[in-house]
Amino acid sequence: QSVLSQPPSASGTPGQTVTISCSGSSSNIGSNTVNWYQQFSGTAPKLLIYSNNQRPSGVFDRFSGSKSGTSASLAISELQSEDEADYYCAAWDDSLNGWVFGGGTKLTVL
Amino acid sequence: QVQVVQSGAEVKKPGSSVKVSCKASGNTFSTYAISWVRQAPGQGLEWMGGIIPIFGTANYARKFQDRVTITANESTSTAYMELSSLRSEDTAIYYCARVGGGDSEGGWGYYFDYWGQGTLVTVSS
Repeated sequence: QSVLSQPPSASGTPGQTVTISCSGSSSNIGSNTVNWYQQFSGTAPKLLIYSNNQRPSGVFDRFSGSKSGTSASLAISELQSEDEADYYCAAWDDSLNGWVFGGGTKLTVL
Repeated sequence: QVQVVQSGAEVKKPGSSVKVSCKASGNTFSTYAISWVRQAPGQGLEWMGGIIPIFGTANYARKFQDRVTITANESTSTAYMELSSLRSEDTAIYYCARVGGGDSEGGWGYYFDYWGQGTLVTVSS
């Protein structure tokens, strides 16, 4: 059971916008910034969004993040087949004094 | 560009220990934290602990604190994660990641900005 809650799966057709939610509590998302990681099958995770809504250099602006209270979301617009991957949210938890992750959301492009 | 390179795959017997290394390029190794994250087959990401090399003190997730030891050697820019009393459930890919951070429009935050390629540890009799 992950500390942060994400839907296990999401899907969309090419060109659509998909949103993935991440729900936490006051000790993690409510107190700290949220990061998102993208992981393709068989590869290491890659930083996708940091500090709630910032994109590292090289990440397309089709990816955007937001946070409100104890929840965060990742939106992927103009969905493409190459976006098929697992997406994880993460935040520091002040009560646990450690990093916590969501269980991951598997994105399928139909 | 920072590169993070981990040691190779390991096969271990139940009850034994494994030590995985993580070498980061660049001359800023000491001032950035290194975290260890594992991923069991078909499962999600799980943080195990981390260390800031310049301080030398490690911080562990409660689940692992009795079995894991994270260390760092500043002179070789290498961090290590040793897991003891291995059991079959410890079969997983173990990743190290550099912890970047700073202030931005989104707020002050830390994040795993560079990841190693992962090390598969298989525990089997």
